Amino acid sequence: AQKITQTQPGMFVQEKEAVTLDCTYDTSDPSYGLFWYKQPSSGEMIFLIYQGSYDQQNATEGRYSLNFQKARKSANLVISASQLGDSAMYFCAMREGESSGGSNYKLTFGKGTLLTVNP
Amino acid sequence: EPEVTQTPSHQVTQMGQEVILRCVPISNHLYFYWYRQILGQKVEFLVSFYNNEISEKSEIFDDQFSVERPDGSNFTLKIRSTKLEDSAMYFCASSKGQLIAKNIQYFGAGTRLSVL
Repeated sequence: AQKITQTQPGMFVQEKEAVTLDCTYDTSDPSYGLFWYKQPSSGEMIFLIYQGSYDQQNATEGRYSLNFQKARKSANLVISASQLGDSAMYFCAMREGESSGGSNYKLTFGKGTLLTVNP
Repeated sequence: EPEVTQTPSHQVTQMGQEVILRCVPISNHLYFYWYRQILGQKVEFLVSFYNNEISEKSEIFDDQFSVERPDGSNFTLKIRSTKLEDSAMYFCASSKGQLIAKNIQYFGAGTRLSVL
């Protein structure tokens, strides 16, 4: 079974509008972390935002926020006021075992969503 | 801002040849990782390394693969006898190694390996 599912292979958004990229996950571990990375066409993987399973509030980092719905096992990335430079592939990832010394464990990635921002 | 550096950016090799992919992790980081991304597919974990030994590895990381920290700054991935299916983008990552939840893995720009 897929641990991380990103159902949108591609998304389009107009510049200055907000966009939501979906991510659902599957784990039986009560302690986990969820990450979003951005991969521009140049190839590097850029960390955007982190949400811990025990965090009481949804994470925010500048124009990025995470809509974390634990019961639904979803961790959607919201990008506000889209910019042309936001055009990239976006990956959702999970790390299990956060509270049992797993903060250095591997990341499991989804297949990604290719976001295109139109002028 | 400190970053993970990978060289070369693109490596072309013949099937059966050995390749070494190089990485310089962020200087105060203690955990190092290799991931790969076959074209059009998701990023997959290969191996993590801490205190000069492998701490976790995936099924992909078989006897053809090895990792080493030959000095205080470099971290390498060696593929002994490359196969066509080893063609992929290989990412190095590093983290501080803190036992806290928000322990972020920072990635390099990747090495694209093409096996002919």
